[in-house]
Amino acid sequence: AQTVTQSQPEMSVQEAETVTLSCTYDTSESDYYLFWYKQPPSRQMILVIRQEAYKQQNATENRFSVNFQKAAKSFSLKISDSQLGDAAMYFCAYRGAFGNEKLTFGTGTRLTIIP
Amino acid sequence: NAGVTQTPKFRVLKTGQSMTLLCAQDMNHEYMYWYRQDPGMGLRLIHYSVGEGTTAKGEVPDGYNVSRLKKQNFLLGLESAAPSQTSVYFCASSSLNRGRVYGYTFGSGTRLTVV
Repeated sequence: AQTVTQSQPEMSVQEAETVTLSCTYDTSESDYYLFWYKQPPSRQMILVIRQEAYKQQNATENRFSVNFQKAAKSFSLKISDSQLGDAAMYFCAYRGAFGNEKLTFGTGTRLTIIP
Repeated sequence: NAGVTQTPKFRVLKTGQSMTLLCAQDMNHEYMYWYRQDPGMGLRLIHYSVGEGTTAKGEVPDGYNVSRLKKQNFLLGLESAAPSQTSVYFCASSSLNRGRVYGYTFGSGTRLTVV
């Protein structure tokens, strides 16, 4: 079974600085997707970024980028120029590429932005 | 452009009472899922469905039942609520494109308290 590990329960960063959230996963599959979701106090799950395992290029979305290391099974999220609105719970998630496979979530990292 | 709609958003139950959570999606997605979110544990899959009339157990199915009589609706039932079922419940749906995962949309969650 796949597992996703987020070893940082809480992180904090000064506004406008850069922060990196860590995620590792375990799988025997070769084709899969990895995700970072943001959950603000509103509780809504918001997709931040998605990475396909078959793509070597790291995904980027504006201030958000990932460092995907397939051999090391590592998938970290970098937030540049942190803003107050980035404060939230961040979840790393995994799912297989085909069929009805579920999303497997990590336990989350609570990110605090210091003004 | 509703996406995934969950009702109700909040509910308080007494131990032993029953209730049904409703999830409705208007995106014609094949797959639907029910997750629960507990502090420090991320989101865990309760049950899922790969199409109308089909359901399957997830990671934590005990104490819950589901039904998918229509493609757009996925119901989660608690027959006899227990305090351990106090949680935030999320519904999600996803679709396939040429056999590959394409999109994963969450509802806004239901906070359930069992006293």
